[in-house]
Amino acid sequence: GAGVSQSPSNKVTEKGKDVELRCDPISGHTALYWYRQSLGQGLEFLIYFQGNSAPDKSGLPSDRFSAERTGGSVSTLTIQRTQQEDSAVYLCASSSPSGGLNTGELFFGEGSRLTVL
Amino acid sequence: SQQGEEDPQALSIQEGENATMNCSYKTSINNLQWYRQNSGRGLVHLILIRSNEREKHSGRLRVTLDTSKKSSSLLITASRAADTASYFCATVSNSGYALNFGKGTSLLVTP
Repeated sequence: GAGVSQSPSNKVTEKGKDVELRCDPISGHTALYWYRQSLGQGLEFLIYFQGNSAPDKSGLPSDRFSAERTGGSVSTLTIQRTQQEDSAVYLCASSSPSGGLNTGELFFGEGSRLTVL
Repeated sequence: SQQGEEDPQALSIQEGENATMNCSYKTSINNLQWYRQNSGRGLVHLILIRSNEREKHSGRLRVTLDTSKKSSSLLITASRAADTASYFCATVSNSGYALNFGKGTSLLVTP
């Protein structure tokens, strides 16, 4: 697609429910990132994918969080047994093979705003 | 942590004035990037400056980098109301995979 697409844009759920957030990166981008942004805060790194593998899962805050990427494209971030502190905007970004961190630049989606009641 | 920290946290100026935001970081870097985030939106890449560069320009943006002080500044000249946004600096994490972002500077430009 033309840009990074995330869905849903807004999700309200009850505490204890599971949620799935989806990210569709720019076509051809092999690197994919998930970040979390709490209100008025910076971005907290969650996980990075290169292709289908996740060499860096260091940012996942607990074992309730998991992510997968299939076919080197779409990624799903799953939060199990959601808690109120999970409320945040979850941002996905992708970068191209010739891009990446040493040449910039990450392309971000608009985010999925999660509210846990 | 290699996370950058922006200063000031908030900045309010009038249209036409210049806005300067600063970023400090803690460890050595290959490059430093600046991003902009409009309210309720994703981040947009503005400019990247490499560790061997001292200054870089892009339109009304000017970025400087002082690796000896581990600091960078973003200058927006002749600001416009449309420049109202949060601005973040970012450096590569210790793992080498991800960008670490600071908490950002919230810029308000009033007409």
